[in-house]
Amino acid sequence: DVKVTQSSRYLVKRTGEKVFLECVQDMDHENMFWYRQDPGLGLRLIYFSYDVKMKEKGDIPEGYSVSREKKERFSLILESASTNQTSMYLCASSFWDRSYNEQFFGPGTRLTVL
Amino acid sequence: KNEVEQSPQNLTAQEGEFITINCSYSVGISALHWLQQHPGGGIVSLFMLSSGKKKHGRLIATINIQEKHSSLHITASHPRDSAVYICAVMDSNYQLIWGAGTKLIIKP
Repeated sequence: DVKVTQSSRYLVKRTGEKVFLECVQDMDHENMFWYRQDPGLGLRLIYFSYDVKMKEKGDIPEGYSVSREKKERFSLILESASTNQTSMYLCASSFWDRSYNEQFFGPGTRLTVL
Repeated sequence: KNEVEQSPQNLTAQEGEFITINCSYSVGISALHWLQQHPGGGIVSLFMLSSGKKKHGRLIATINIQEKHSSLHITASHPRDSAVYICAVMDSNYQLIWGAGTKLIIKP
């Protein structure tokens, strides 16, 4: 069974704090993704990575950074959390084969920034 | 205007009813995905299709490439089908474009 895990299901942080969201997959997938999901907007891609130490900006990278030091782990960093970053954050992974591109999702982290 | 539009946004039905959720898109695509998200957040892939029709249990997905439209049908709906159903298309650059989702509630 493919497994994508995220470090926390629920997280509450204060404005200005540095926040780390961790994602680990056990399927040896090359690609990993971070999305945020807000009501009425669907999933929006923040960053993705197609290899270790490689990263690409998605549609809404502002206010976020990422780190991929190992193939199985992809971290999302909020350098200075703000209230407009309150959201559901979803991590996903997939094989490199672009023509197939089925993504496997983690359970999500619901982040509240006070 | 969103490149992927789903309708309806919300749907409430009685157990046993036949359900249809629609997805229209405006870009050229190489494939279309239907995914399911249960309360609590986890998302699972239901179908990936680029033509015709696919069936899995009580779920049927169809796509009409010329009309840029796909439908997801659920036969003999059950309360456990209550979830958000998401349509996503893969464009010619192999990027996924996501619909906003349809929230389905099936009442016993």
